[in-house]
Amino acid sequence: NAGVTQTPKFQVLKTGQSMTLQCAQDMNHNSMYWYRQDPGMGLRLIYYSASEGTTDKGEVPNGYNVSRLNKREFSLRLESAAPSQTSVYFCASGRAQRIYEQYFGPGTRLTVT
Amino acid sequence: GESVGLHLPTLSVQEGDNSIINCAYSNSASDYFIWYKQESGKGPQFIIDIRSNMDKRQGQRVTVLLNKTVKHLSLQIAATQPGDSAVYFCAENGGGGADGLTFGKGTHLIIQP
Repeated sequence: NAGVTQTPKFQVLKTGQSMTLQCAQDMNHNSMYWYRQDPGMGLRLIYYSASEGTTDKGEVPNGYNVSRLNKREFSLRLESAAPSQTSVYFCASGRAQRIYEQYFGPGTRLTVT
Repeated sequence: GESVGLHLPTLSVQEGDNSIINCAYSNSASDYFIWYKQESGKGPQFIIDIRSNMDKRQGQRVTVLLNKTVKHLSLQIAATQPGDSAVYFCAENGGGGADGLTFGKGTHLIIQP
């Protein structure tokens, strides 16, 4: 039982490049989330998916897109990376009965130069 | 020159003492208030939650207190151990549903031997 896995662990992009961050969970959770964490800050919600087939914007969605590929997988895409998107990205999942108890992946550290 | 960045509030306690971490929240409509622990280089980990209709909840070595009058949440850790060293975040789930959590900025707990 791996929990929540994320790939890659580290990535460096040049401004304007695109990339997709991958996330998968094996806990059969309905809900999945993408957060970003900047130095000295709490986590901010980018997008979430309450169930397979649905996605919604969070607090800071600009510059990102998401795909809920199936119940297990939720990807985050940066179409044209900007230095302001330099951050650590965390994927999380949760079950409907205890939606506040989220399980987080190890994070992807992204630097945009 | 010296760089200026965001610094987390820090709480330094002696090993074996009790720790109290405080948080002010903003959304009176939140159903649940939650504490997460984040160790260096890892994703946040759920510690304990408290529902908005309660004022105290105890777990293993941890107690969460909720004061809705002044919108204040605290986490008490009994007999602090070296493994408790981490950044602690309070979070709230807004009005409920699967729409993600709103995190505070975090407190860095340092354990002195």
